[in-house]
Amino acid sequence: ETGVTQTPRHLVMGMTNKKSLKCEQHLGHNAMYWYKQSAKKPLELMFVYNFKEQTENNSVPSRFSPECPNSSHLFLHLHTLQPEDSALYLCASSQDRVSSGDLTDTQYFGPGTRLTVL
Amino acid sequence: DAKTTQPPSMDCAEGRAANLPCNHSTISGNEYVYWYRQIHSQGPQYIIHGLKNNETNEMASLIITEDRKSSTLILPHATLRDTAVYYCIVRGVSGAGSYQLTFGKGTKLSVIP
Repeated sequence: ETGVTQTPRHLVMGMTNKKSLKCEQHLGHNAMYWYKQSAKKPLELMFVYNFKEQTENNSVPSRFSPECPNSSHLFLHLHTLQPEDSALYLCASSQDRVSSGDLTDTQYFGPGTRLTVL
Repeated sequence: DAKTTQPPSMDCAEGRAANLPCNHSTISGNEYVYWYRQIHSQGPQYIIHGLKNNETNEMASLIITEDRKSSTLILPHATLRDTAVYYCIVRGVSGAGSYQLTFGKGTKLSVIP
């Protein structure tokens, strides 16, 4: 148990559905992340939020829409996905101190949501 | 971020030390070496990190060479639960100002009974 929870753990959806993934961290961190892990590919960073502000969007298609209402919660809204979007979606959090020159924050990952798009 | 090179797979006998190598010959002076592992279909788990000194915690030891071009993660007494993919990541601020983990393919460690 890392202090980062994700729901649902498994999700099957059609290409015309709209669904949302939820992540919650109980660690008091100020930064949250979404990663995607497709079969046989390395983890890919999708979005970064720092103090609720999006600081990175790694060229993610607009059918993925993140939302960070507060520092403890992160959502990934999904709509009109494609079968190739099937993957393990991982959330992580950390106490980001880069602005103060400290490059040693540790990211703690949730268990992931296994998404299948039919 | 500097690139890392790891062997794709390794075996280790249960109870023996597992030594996982990582090459990072282009590492810069302010870049840290991080190790994570991922047990099948779970989220990655932080193990240890270091800059230039050797580090040890309750999970593992990290040995960084003096020139910092390579490092070794040591699991002193491997158990079956240590079977996982181990990622060596060099982390610093990129030219684009990004400071995030970049995962490679890692080393698949199999602990054999």
